Amino acid sequence: AQSVTQLDSHVSVSEGTPVLLRCNYSSSYSPSLFWYVQHPNKGLQLLLKYTSAATLVKGINGFEAEFKKSETSFHLTKPSAHMSDAAEYFCVVSPERSQGNLIFGKGTKLSVKP
Amino acid sequence: NAGVTQTPKFRILKIGQSMTLQCTQDMNHNYMYWYRQDPGMGLKLIYYSVGAGITDKGEVPNGYNVSRSTTEDFPLRLELAAPSQTSVYFCATLSTEAFFGQGTRLTVV
Repeated sequence: AQSVTQLDSHVSVSEGTPVLLRCNYSSSYSPSLFWYVQHPNKGLQLLLKYTSAATLVKGINGFEAEFKKSETSFHLTKPSAHMSDAAEYFCVVSPERSQGNLIFGKGTKLSVKP
Repeated sequence: NAGVTQTPKFRILKIGQSMTLQCTQDMNHNYMYWYRQDPGMGLKLIYYSVGAGITDKGEVPNGYNVSRSTTEDFPLRLELAAPSQTSVYFCATLSTEAFFGQGTRLTVV
């Protein structure tokens, strides 16, 4: 069965320090992997996606993620947090693109302290 | 280009009432989805559709129904609202990435 585990429900960082949001997945097939961000009372916005091209994926707003097949991980990072990064982040796997299902992690709430 | 449009944005229902959450897209995507989001639980799939005339159950379909008569529209129907259906509902389409509507916040009292 396919699944996504976000290892931290809440991460708190200071402005200007690095961000690390962890995600592990299980999939029987080569998955497509995504990170989405949700600001309070808003919809979900795509940050970045991995679809079997380069393993280091760059997204919007300075975020990037590295696909590590041996570790079944797709952790999201940013070198320097900004106050506007405070939001909830979802790791998402699409295990079989022909079926088109999306499996969501439970989310990580990122807080950024001044 | 409107993308995915959901209506209404907010709704309060009484137990036992019915309503339809509307979702329409203008991107000509075949795949459409309804998710519900509960605090700390991520998004759970209610129903999905791979094209007009085809729908299938997701993880949490009980209490809901859908139809897909056109590519553009994918309404979600609640027949007998229950407090357990209090949630935020998102409609989405999928091509190389998923596109989400802004959500419908539903409260059943």
